[in-house]
Amino acid sequence: QKEVEQNSGPLSVPEGAIASLNCTYSDRGSQSFFWYRQYSGKSPELIMSIYSNGDKEDGRFTAQLNKASQYVSLLIRDSQPSDSATYLCAVNQGEYGNKLVFGAGTILRVKS
Amino acid sequence: SQTIHQWPATLVQPVGSPLSLECTVEGTSNPNLYWYRQAAGRGLQLLFYSVGIGQISSEVPQNLSASRPQDRQFILSSKKLLLSDSGFYLCAWSRGTVKNIQYFGAGTRLSVL
Repeated sequence: QKEVEQNSGPLSVPEGAIASLNCTYSDRGSQSFFWYRQYSGKSPELIMSIYSNGDKEDGRFTAQLNKASQYVSLLIRDSQPSDSATYLCAVNQGEYGNKLVFGAGTILRVKS
Repeated sequence: SQTIHQWPATLVQPVGSPLSLECTVEGTSNPNLYWYRQAAGRGLQLLFYSVGIGQISSEVPQNLSASRPQDRQFILSSKKLLLSDSGFYLCAWSRGTVKNIQYFGAGTRLSVL
């Protein structure tokens, strides 16, 4: 199985700062890339999806994709204590692209 | 709108007992359905997925099995639980397009003692 790698963290940032989360993947055939947020004891919730190279912005969140470098990142601007969670990177795989492979997640802590 | 239901929320079972976890999806038809397990402090491991009734793909050989008796129902089972089966079990659905956005249920926390 192809891999998805993330730094486990924790990544600590002060309130109001930009948090930068990174992810690399090994399957060059992957076409769909996702960032999920998971609070402790809860299920993952989708934050961003990105399918083409470049940046995609949604509110305080920006996803960046570079397929040549096999790299996906998530920027969180004006970080808030409520952003403290584990962020999971997911990449599609499989013959029909209908499976997701998840990274182990990066723990983000926003200090007030 | 679509909703996914998963139950029970928590479960404590003795070693060697059977298991049945159920997941249902409302508001869509012919979804792709998935079962994941998450060990403490770890990422999500895909256990099974299904693209249609009776069609089950197993990702990891193990003590578990899955069934899809109806279009929007997905069941995870075991005949005899092991200690290593403890974890957070998550059901997810997607529309089955190449974009494959998956939406998760609330999860079941299983403790095998």
